Amino acid sequence: SQQGEEDPQALSIQEGENATMNCSYKTSINNLQWYRQNSGRGLVHLILIRSNEREKHSGRLRVTLDTSKKSSSLLITASRAADTASYFCATDARGNNDMRFGAGTRLTVKP
Amino acid sequence: EAQVTQNPRYLITVTGKKLTVTCSQNMNHEYMSWYRQDPGLGLRQIYYSMNVEVTDKGDVPEGYKVSRKEKRNFPLILESPSPNQTSLYFCASSLLAGTGYGEQYFGPGTRLTVT
Repeated sequence: SQQGEEDPQALSIQEGENATMNCSYKTSINNLQWYRQNSGRGLVHLILIRSNEREKHSGRLRVTLDTSKKSSSLLITASRAADTASYFCATDARGNNDMRFGAGTRLTVKP
Repeated sequence: EAQVTQNPRYLITVTGKKLTVTCSQNMNHEYMSWYRQDPGLGLRQIYYSMNVEVTDKGDVPEGYKVSRKEKRNFPLILESPSPNQTSLYFCASSLLAGTGYGEQYFGPGTRLTVT
């Protein structure tokens, strides 16, 4: 079963706008990671946030983590057409060695 | 260049014909994992390995086998493939970073079709 669930399933915006994707999970975690996947290709790591962190930035990416609500959000600012991809959150649960991915958010950025 | 390689990239086979998908990483990572990706289901973990000779089942291990005889290699074996194993498969590796896993590096994927 999936640990993370992304919301929304699909998002379409204009270039220059911000995109926000959310991830909810079920159990206590060690880390939460966000990945990007261009159509049919391997996933690329974007950012990792540890359970004791609340916010992290990397370039145009901002990730927040709320462990009390078991949720995370990924914000992409000033989006570009090249940001068009699917975005996945992944968690490794505390006391468990496996990795769980959500079903992903499909982001389309229109030029 | 740090990378995870998978072979073959594409494979069409028939039901029951044993096959192996190879995975190799050159980053000396302890952790390796196999996932399958199906439309609408995201990635589901098949098997993972914390180190040489240490493997464990993920979410969907039925019909698959793995081995970890060397740190760099983690082959996925389908002893008797069935059509429901038609999928896109990814291998990944990462360091074990204290508590939890670090960034995972993914291979390019193997698209398997079982007829």
